[in-house]
Amino acid sequence: GAVVSQHPSWVICKSGTSVKIECRSLDFQATTMFWYRQFPKQSLMLMATSNEGSKATYEQGVEKDKFLINHASLTLSTLTVTSAHPEDSSFYICSARDSHRGFLSGNTIYFGEGSWLTVV
Amino acid sequence: DAKTTQPNSMESNEEEPVHLPCNHSTISGTDYIHWYRQLPSQGPEYVIHGLTSNVNNRMASLAIAEDRKSSTLILHRATLRDAAVYYCTTFYGGSQGNLIFGKGTKLSVKP
Repeated sequence: GAVVSQHPSWVICKSGTSVKIECRSLDFQATTMFWYRQFPKQSLMLMATSNEGSKATYEQGVEKDKFLINHASLTLSTLTVTSAHPEDSSFYICSARDSHRGFLSGNTIYFGEGSWLTVV
Repeated sequence: DAKTTQPNSMESNEEEPVHLPCNHSTISGTDYIHWYRQLPSQGPEYVIHGLTSNVNNRMASLAIAEDRKSSTLILHRATLRDAAVYYCTTFYGGSQGNLIFGKGTKLSVKP
């Protein structure tokens, strides 16, 4: 099946610094990618929808200036957590939608392995 | 808010079938029903999806109610590796759709 890779798998950063997480679709093109955040024992919360070549659409309550999303190519989207604070510590997960497949031909949305962010 | 409702947890014995229910009473005619499962500290894994007809694949079967307001994921023979949180979501098939996850069902499988 299609593969979505996230990097880094885990990162520890100091409070006040910024950290970037990459999401790559390895064998398909993804016009649309999605970013989620998940706290322990909770469900995934959609943060934003990233569209290649345009601005991301953020969900209500998500600060777009704090969580910068860039989707400059059909295979890469990045999430930058700016001025990170301990409350930003979480599991961040991306998913990508295969641009060339319709649902009738099978699954089209693939998830990355997730990235653990710990802010100290 | 999530558009689906699932039981918080379910238990099964190994090698027995498991039926995981999901209610999606506000589903629209163009929304697909997707199921994912997630192991601890991993990203969700696709299980199955469907629109109106029942669907089968190597992992599971999806039974969709005639009015599409509910569906059931069927694992025919549960294994210990099937222990996970199972999420049912509805997804607009067009280019503007996104996946919103509810709380999911935590499935435990007993040997």
